[in-house]
Amino acid sequence: QSALTQPPSASGSPGQSVTITCTGTRSDIGTYDFVSWYQQHPGKAPKLIIHEVTKRPSGVPDRFSGSKSGNTASLTVSGLQAEDEADYHCTSYAGSSNFVFGGGTRLTVL
Amino acid sequence: QLQLQESGPGLVKPSETLSLTCTVSGGSVNSNSYFWVWIRQPPGKGLQWIGDVFYSGVTYYNPSLKSRVTMSQDTSKNQFSLNLTSVTAADTAVYFCARRVGGVRYFFDYWGQGALVTVSS
Repeated sequence: QSALTQPPSASGSPGQSVTITCTGTRSDIGTYDFVSWYQQHPGKAPKLIIHEVTKRPSGVPDRFSGSKSGNTASLTVSGLQAEDEADYHCTSYAGSSNFVFGGGTRLTVL
Repeated sequence: QLQLQESGPGLVKPSETLSLTCTVSGGSVNSNSYFWVWIRQPPGKGLQWIGDVFYSGVTYYNPSLKSRVTMSQDTSKNQFSLNLTSVTAADTAVYFCARRVGGVRYFFDYWGQGALVTVSS
């Protein structure tokens, strides 16, 4: 059982927006603004798409955005494209040099 | 461009020690700007942080694995390694090495392709 809770699946049609949630506790997401999101295509390594809740690395489309409220972080993918179909993982710093991950969400583009 | 590549046995027997090495190219493990990380993903499941090693040799481990994990680095080979003792089937996973940005920043910006390790007799 993962420390952070994500829905196992999400879906949307091309052009639509989809939001994936990541729920933790006061000990991780609720305390630290160190939530990051990773995109993973099948058989590939995860790729950083959001760090420190809202920041996008260079080269990541601005269709990807992150936010946080209380103990829950969210990733929104706007203007869905076929290549966005992948697994998405959230992680949070949990203090004492410890990190927790979510179980991952499979995003399907219909 | 930084690249990381995992290597090691793909099959380990129960109760034995899992040993993996990550070779870094395009950057140096002997840097005070980054931590070097192991993360694993059991088949069909989410990711799990295993631990970090800093250039000074300081290590941080997942509390749930701490009693069985040792991480180290070899600056002469620009590599870092993972040893996980007393493995069971639950340790079957794809093991990724990665880089974590240092300082008061907590995310993993470069990853290796991953190495599948199966624990089976």
